[in-house]
Amino acid sequence: DAGVIQSPRHEVTEMGQEVTLRCKPISGHDYLFWYRQTMMRGLELLIYFNNNVPIDDSGMPEDRFSAKMPNASFSTLKIQPSEPRDSAVYFCASSPGQEWTEAFFGQGTRLTVV
Amino acid sequence: RKEVEQDPGPFNVPEGATVAFNCTYSNSASQSFFWYRQDCRKEPKLLMSVYSSGNEDGRFTAQLNRASQYISLLIRDSKLSDSATYLCVVNGAAGANNLFFGTGTRLTVIP
Repeated sequence: DAGVIQSPRHEVTEMGQEVTLRCKPISGHDYLFWYRQTMMRGLELLIYFNNNVPIDDSGMPEDRFSAKMPNASFSTLKIQPSEPRDSAVYFCASSPGQEWTEAFFGQGTRLTVV
Repeated sequence: RKEVEQDPGPFNVPEGATVAFNCTYSNSASQSFFWYRQDCRKEPKLLMSVYSSGNEDGRFTAQLNRASQYISLLIRDSKLSDSATYLCVVNGAAGANNLFFGTGTRLTVIP
């Protein structure tokens, strides 16, 4: 298995533009997580899905952020409109779901909003 | 209050030294505990799970104190390759699969 695949790896966009980040989880994993990492705040859980259903989105910073999982092999995180303070590394992770199992991370998308 | 609190460091130690990291968590209902390692500009990867009785994996020992809601990681005989950021991780509640990460402790092992 290729692991969790995220695209793009890097994204530079202008303030006000829409940004879409993509994630393909590991096949067979029931859980998918979106995290944001900054120097100041570390890794923050934004939202997670179980069997394509959003379970907890309390970490989504505001209405400009939305996430979808239309099927078991694909998820998107969208920011519209983007702002400079959204600049961060966004990680997607997936997990088989049992309580003690590991979450596997993608390589992340480094987003810069100018 | 943050779910997981860690000393950010940095910890700079010579090769061969023993170093210990600690973290505290706020949710007494948390049941699963882990240490992840993150190399510079890379994704986090699982280092080890932390069990109630404490557990060891080679030079690494993890301990859990539920009463104090405290987790520790001990690294013995530090190697240059241990230089990384170590993330303390807990789940949200019993049976939950949401994982909360500490901000990490940066370790640099010096030759």
